[in-house]
Amino acid sequence: EAGVVQSPRYKIIEKKQPVAFWCNPISGHNTLYWYLQNLGQGPELLIRYENEEAVDDSQLPKDRFSAERLKGVDSTLKIQPAELGDSAVYLCASSLAHPRDTQYFGPGTRLTVL
Amino acid sequence: AQSVTQPDIHITVSEGASLELRCNYSYGATPYLFWYVQSPGQGLQLLLKYFSGDTLVQGIKGFEAEFKRSQSSFNLRKPSVHWSDAAEYFCAVGLGGSQGNLIFGKGTKLSVKP
Repeated sequence: EAGVVQSPRYKIIEKKQPVAFWCNPISGHNTLYWYLQNLGQGPELLIRYENEEAVDDSQLPKDRFSAERLKGVDSTLKIQPAELGDSAVYLCASSLAHPRDTQYFGPGTRLTVL
Repeated sequence: AQSVTQPDIHITVSEGASLELRCNYSYGATPYLFWYVQSPGQGLQLLLKYFSGDTLVQGIKGFEAEFKRSQSSFNLRKPSVHWSDAAEYFCAVGLGGSQGNLIFGKGTKLSVKP
């Protein structure tokens, strides 16, 4: 069974540019999570989707970050405009159902903002 | 507020030696506890989890962890470390007694000497 797929794996952009990350969860997983992992830190939740609905986006910086999960399958996380402090790894995870099932993580997208 | 502390930022052990990684949590209710491992360029992989019952939990790759309520600890152990165990290890608490909304520690990087 395929795991959580993320692309791109690496992205380098200039500050103030837009950037987007894509995630395809494990087939059949209704819950999708986006996490931010800064260097030397553990992951921190940005947003959680139940099917196509964003049910917990309290930690998402909404002035520059947005996300969508059309049709309740794959998801896109966008930053516009990017700032130097956004350099980090963006992880996507999915689970069958929240909160009782294990989260499975993708390999992440490493963003570098110059 | 809930928190997870991993006191050791970096640990080096010799191949074949035993390993113990420490994790302490602060959480008012009965916690759900997890250990994840992250290899370079990889996503997080679940090693083991504790919900209730037997306080000694067996996981994958020969790892085990022991929940000690009196010490608010969930330390990870392995009797004999292999070179392939070199990675970063994250302890996490599931909020609300669930697997969702995980709070991660900052991680412990494990290096293995030949």
